Amino acid sequence: DAKTTQPPSMDCAEGRAANLPCNHSTISGNEYVYWYRQIHSQGPQYIIHGLKNNETNEMASLIITEDRKSSTLILPHATLRDTAVYYCIVRRSNDYKLSFGAGTTVTVRA
Amino acid sequence: GAGVSQSPSNKVTEKGKDVELRCDPISGHTALYWYRQRLGQGLEFLIYFQGNSAPDKSGLPSDRFSAERTGESVSTLTIQRTQQEDSAVYLCASSLPRGQSEAFFGQGTRLTVV
Repeated sequence: DAKTTQPPSMDCAEGRAANLPCNHSTISGNEYVYWYRQIHSQGPQYIIHGLKNNETNEMASLIITEDRKSSTLILPHATLRDTAVYYCIVRRSNDYKLSFGAGTTVTVRA
Repeated sequence: GAGVSQSPSNKVTEKGKDVELRCDPISGHTALYWYRQRLGQGLEFLIYFQGNSAPDKSGLPSDRFSAERTGESVSTLTIQRTQQEDSAVYLCASSLPRGQSEAFFGQGTRLTVV
């Protein structure tokens, strides 16, 4: 699986959009980009995934660049409850294993 | 319940004792994973079950670790002769068969070996 690179931490103001970058320059054509988050003392939670088109759901939007070498997770209106570690994972469509890296620790401040 | 259930939520054991951790996956989820997360660190893959296929045990750190799953239901992770370095949160997840299925995680079992 392709490796991902994320900033170790970032702060965000409550009510503002949080834009979380992820670099996956070695991604191959059959690999999807997944985002999970882990709130303190809880198990990871699925957020969203995509292949090449931008995706949106009730939690977030995923913007994937045309060359697919990077993506951005957007939390449109961050709340204090969005404080968590966010993991960007690249995974082949027929692969079951989720390989978690260090992620980005996002702190939403009032 | 609707989610993945793990028990116990906390376990303190003495070094050298055996422990059993339990995971109840979401009904209908044929895929089940175990991960380990040491304090302040990322998730380490331990083992994966998919239906009646042979499990992927490639992440088990030593032969003291084993896991079983009965059909498509409950799974138990057993650690024999526990060591202090086994202290961690053990997380279970389940999903529909591979593909794009999202994994649903339980709250984990916090194991402390003293």
